Amino acid sequence: DAGITQSPRHKVTETGTPVTLRCHQTENHRYMYWYRQDPGHGLRLIHYSYGVKDTDKGEVSDGYSVSRSKTEDFLLTLESATSSQTSVYFCAISVPSSNEQFFGPGTRLTVL
Amino acid sequence: GESVGLHLPTLSVQEGDNSIINCAYSNSASDYFIWYKQESGKGPQFIIDIRSNMDKRQGQRVTVLLNKTVKHLSLQIAATQPGDSAVYFCAALRGTSYDKVIFGPGTSLSVIP
Repeated sequence: DAGITQSPRHKVTETGTPVTLRCHQTENHRYMYWYRQDPGHGLRLIHYSYGVKDTDKGEVSDGYSVSRSKTEDFLLTLESATSSQTSVYFCAISVPSSNEQFFGPGTRLTVL
Repeated sequence: GESVGLHLPTLSVQEGDNSIINCAYSNSASDYFIWYKQESGKGPQFIIDIRSNMDKRQGQRVTVLLNKTVKHLSLQIAATQPGDSAVYFCAALRGTSYDKVIFGPGTSLSVIP
């Protein structure tokens, strides 16, 4: 699993509240990603990071922000959660040498 | 826009039979393809990849075939086992940059004992 953990694993929150999801990796990988997974859709990239303090937007970045102040942690923040952000969120890392991508176990977020 | 899709959302096979899962992509500039397996409640797991300069690649009990002419790839699983029950999806990339990857929605494979 490339030492990737996500917290929390499950969260229920109310519309309008801020939410922060955490991705933690133990193997010093440079590239990290946040995806959301919804029924009938493939994984969609929200934001990604290519180093400490280096982040960029993905396909579905509206309503989300990220921060990476340390190599091991990549935080995803929903400033004001909406019901359309109910989803399963996956963090991933990629390993340039093998070009493989490894995913965390996911966080199921429900916005009421 | 770009898309990656699978021909069947669900597939049921008898244990011991071979499984074939198909995927189509729209962007002819895609040159790197990956198959993932996702078990219930878990994150996706990299199974096998193939580059556009190849038309076939084999792994342990899995084979990926790529037909660039019709923009189609398939995953073949030999002697399907109950542990193969999962959602399988393909992904298409340009270059090897994961910030441009397009994922398909997935085929749910059920193995009948």
